[in-house]
Amino acid sequence: DTGVSQDPRHKITKRGQNVTFRCDPISEHNRLYWYRQTLGQGPEFLTYFQNEAQLEKSRLLSDRFSAERPKGSFSTLEIQRTEQGDSAMYLCASSLVLSNTGELFFGEGSRLTVL
Amino acid sequence: QKEVEQNSGPLSVPEGAIASLNCTYSDRGSQSFFWYRQYSGKSPELIMFIYSNGDKEDGRFTAQLNKASQYVSLLIRDSQPSDSATYLCAVTGYSTLTFGKGTMLLVSP
Repeated sequence: DTGVSQDPRHKITKRGQNVTFRCDPISEHNRLYWYRQTLGQGPEFLTYFQNEAQLEKSRLLSDRFSAERPKGSFSTLEIQRTEQGDSAMYLCASSLVLSNTGELFFGEGSRLTVL
Repeated sequence: QKEVEQNSGPLSVPEGAIASLNCTYSDRGSQSFFWYRQYSGKSPELIMFIYSNGDKEDGRFTAQLNKASQYVSLLIRDSQPSDSATYLCAVTGYSTLTFGKGTMLLVSP
């Protein structure tokens, strides 16, 4: 499978715990995005990387959230001291900078439930 | 702050009818416009993109863009029950996509 893969697909945690999600983009894609989606809403931009550089972060990304892409390949999104409001689907997407369509290819998402 | 507005629906149409989905955006600097389809519990998948004013057709789908009115629409001809999904409008300037909340489409047999 050469698509975007995310792990874990589902995570249930207790409030206050830390969680980490991993995203493996399509191998030749140099841009990687994290979005968050809650029920009835569209995906909300969190942050994106071009290669290993984090180029933009949304104001939605509080200081409890941190994302890395250490070698310009896979990325991790860590949420510290989780809160119930963090319950959402976390979507990773990748793209090529010079894509003539600007299309984002999404993974299947990591669903987080904070109890 | 870029905003993309869509009617949340649901939009209900009978099988075989034309479904019309609409979207407005706030940022006049937006350059590219996308329609994604999202089935329940699944991730978004691209249906169409459009850059220039006018119409763009792909099979049963037609995207329409009017930059002066900051308006983009998606027409689905000969709607099928399998088209039942949430349709997300997204716009971009240079780097990130901003999505609307999506319109739920229900196609009844």
